[in-house]
Amino acid sequence: EVQLVQSGAEVKRPGESLKISCKVSGYTFTTNWIGWVRQMPGKGLDWMGIMYPGDSDTRYSPSFQGQVTISADKSINTAYLQWGSLKASDTAIYYCVRRGSGTWPYHFDYWGQGTLVTVSS
Amino acid sequence: QSVLTQPPSVSGAPGQRITISCTGSSSNIGAGYDVHWYLQLPGRAPKLLIYGNNNRPSGVPDRFSGSKSGTSASLAITGLQGEDEADYYCQSYDSSLSIQYVFGTGTKVTVL
Repeated sequence: EVQLVQSGAEVKRPGESLKISCKVSGYTFTTNWIGWVRQMPGKGLDWMGIMYPGDSDTRYSPSFQGQVTISADKSINTAYLQWGSLKASDTAIYYCVRRGSGTWPYHFDYWGQGTLVTVSS
Repeated sequence: QSVLTQPPSVSGAPGQRITISCTGSSSNIGAGYDVHWYLQLPGRAPKLLIYGNNNRPSGVPDRFSGSKSGTSASLAITGLQGEDEADYYCQSYDSSLSIQYVFGTGTKVTVL
């Protein structure tokens, strides 16, 4: 069974750094792209970026380029999303997603349970 | 604001059929790109509902169906049930943007 299990909720102050994780199981980690999706309070879904763990090829949405870093550790089947300096506007739920196969544009066939990040002074 | 526009809300009585539209343009749905649909129950993570315009993943009831025509796509729910009360999002690609994955604005379905 494919599972994406994310790290727990975080409360941070503006300017602090943060790295959240997404541990996958049930399939070969290096064979599917892993992405991140943001959902701000009461709002819709925003695609942030995606990485292919097999070769670390990473693509970012222009809105998030330079604002976050996506990475992965193949040895422990885990993907990461990190911020160097959080802002209040980063308060949101962040979902890791597995990109499915098929034809372009690909869908996201499995989602993590979400990590709530709250940034407040 | 997304390039894929959905009605903010749709409602129906139990047992009824409802449809949710996802309106795009010639640079996304109208260009022939596939549309996918997700369901998000209150307080839960989104879940894939329809992929490749009209394909259901294993476990999704056949009450849910998708279609695409011109610059729009639609999700139909027949035999509406209380458990269908959720937010629904379409997703595709837009060639005019540098964003590889575009979500619709989302639709809240209310079962009366």
